[in-house]
Amino acid sequence: AQSVTQPDIHITVSEGASLELRCNYSYGATPYLFWYVQSPGQGLQLLLKYFSGDTLVQGIKGFEAEFKRSQSSFNLRKPSVHWSDAAEYFCAVGARITGTASKLTFGTGTRLQVTL
Amino acid sequence: DTGVSQDPRHKITKRGQNVTFRCDPISEHNRLYWYRQTLGQGPEFLTYFQNEAQLEKSRLLSDRFSAERPKGSFSTLEIQRTEQGDSAMYLCASSLSFRDSNNEQFFGPGTRLTVL
Repeated sequence: AQSVTQPDIHITVSEGASLELRCNYSYGATPYLFWYVQSPGQGLQLLLKYFSGDTLVQGIKGFEAEFKRSQSSFNLRKPSVHWSDAAEYFCAVGARITGTASKLTFGTGTRLQVTL
Repeated sequence: DTGVSQDPRHKITKRGQNVTFRCDPISEHNRLYWYRQTLGQGPEFLTYFQNEAQLEKSRLLSDRFSAERPKGSFSTLEIQRTEQGDSAMYLCASSLSFRDSNNEQFFGPGTRLTVL
């Protein structure tokens, strides 16, 4: 069965500093990988996704992630964090259900706090 | 694009009562998913519909849970004889299936259930 590990429960960074959130996955086939962000009282918003091709993917809000098959990792990065980036971040792997449909398995999330 | 909507946003009920939640997906999306998120955890997959057909159910979905999507548009999730362990955020997501859809799921804001 597929699984996702986000080893950092809580991270604090200063505004303007760089950020890297770790994600490791376990899945038997080529994974579909996602990063979502959840702000208090809000739904999950997709930041970026990887299906195939270039292993460095660009997303919204200046985020990027790199797929490393050898390390089973899909870490999220941002060169300069803004105070508005404070939120909960979830990594997810998509496992095929039927046809082209897949269900998402999420990690436990990393809460990002940004200090001014 | 009005996004995925869910109703109600909050529900407080007493143990043993029945509750029903509604999800309205993005209008042209034929795929619909339900997830459950408990405090401090990532969302967990519950069930999946393609049009009106329920094609996948998680073992998390006990006999007290039933989901429907009668006309392939909105969906309802009913919980009978609620238990305190049912307290969670119930998230709905939708996506569009076509050959190169990349299967991106769009999430609603969720319904927060509290069982007293």
